[in-house]
Amino acid sequence: GAVVSQHPSWVICKSGTSVKIECRSLDFQATTMFWYRQFPKQSLMLMATSNEGSKATYEQGVEKDKFLINHASLTLSTLTVTSAHPEDSSFYICSARDPGLETAQYFGPGTRLTVL
Amino acid sequence: GQNIDQPTEMTATEGAIVQINCTYQTSGFNGLFWYQQHAGEAPTFLSYNVLDGLEEKGRFSSFLSRSKGYSYLLLKELQMKDSASYLCALVDSNYQLIWGAGTKLIIKP
Repeated sequence: GAVVSQHPSWVICKSGTSVKIECRSLDFQATTMFWYRQFPKQSLMLMATSNEGSKATYEQGVEKDKFLINHASLTLSTLTVTSAHPEDSSFYICSARDPGLETAQYFGPGTRLTVL
Repeated sequence: GQNIDQPTEMTATEGAIVQINCTYQTSGFNGLFWYQQHAGEAPTFLSYNVLDGLEEKGRFSSFLSRSKGYSYLLLKELQMKDSASYLCALVDSNYQLIWGAGTKLIIKP
């Protein structure tokens, strides 16, 4: 199946700093990528849909100025958590839509963010 | 609106068979996914159904009835490694995924 990578796999930072998470599709070009957040023992929550070459579409309740998304190429999307706070500590997962199978999403391994 | 329901938790015995149900209501439908998620890891793809019927893939099978808004994931010959959460996800008319809350499956020896 398609491979999606994420970097870093885990990060610990101080409150007030910014953290960038990268999502790459390794063997296909993804015009659309998705960013999810998952708190412990809860289901995935879609944060935003990232489209190559255009602005991301954010879900209701997600602050676009806090969670900056850039999808500059067909294989890379980045999520930057600006001025992170302890409540932003979560498991962030990206997925990429395989253009060959319109509805399939392949997930990256996730990034665990801990804000002290 | 859209709504997906699946049991919160199920318990089964190693070597047995378990069926995890998913019911949904939606105005637009473009298929249904099942994903497996182990604790602390990202989901992995299990199956995709867009037409009615049963799709078999090794020990795992997935069934869909569009008229009833119903799907199930059937796991045979359960192994301890099958202990995980199983997520049902609906593809809506805009090709976005609508996620169920997941079913935590506990396998006992």
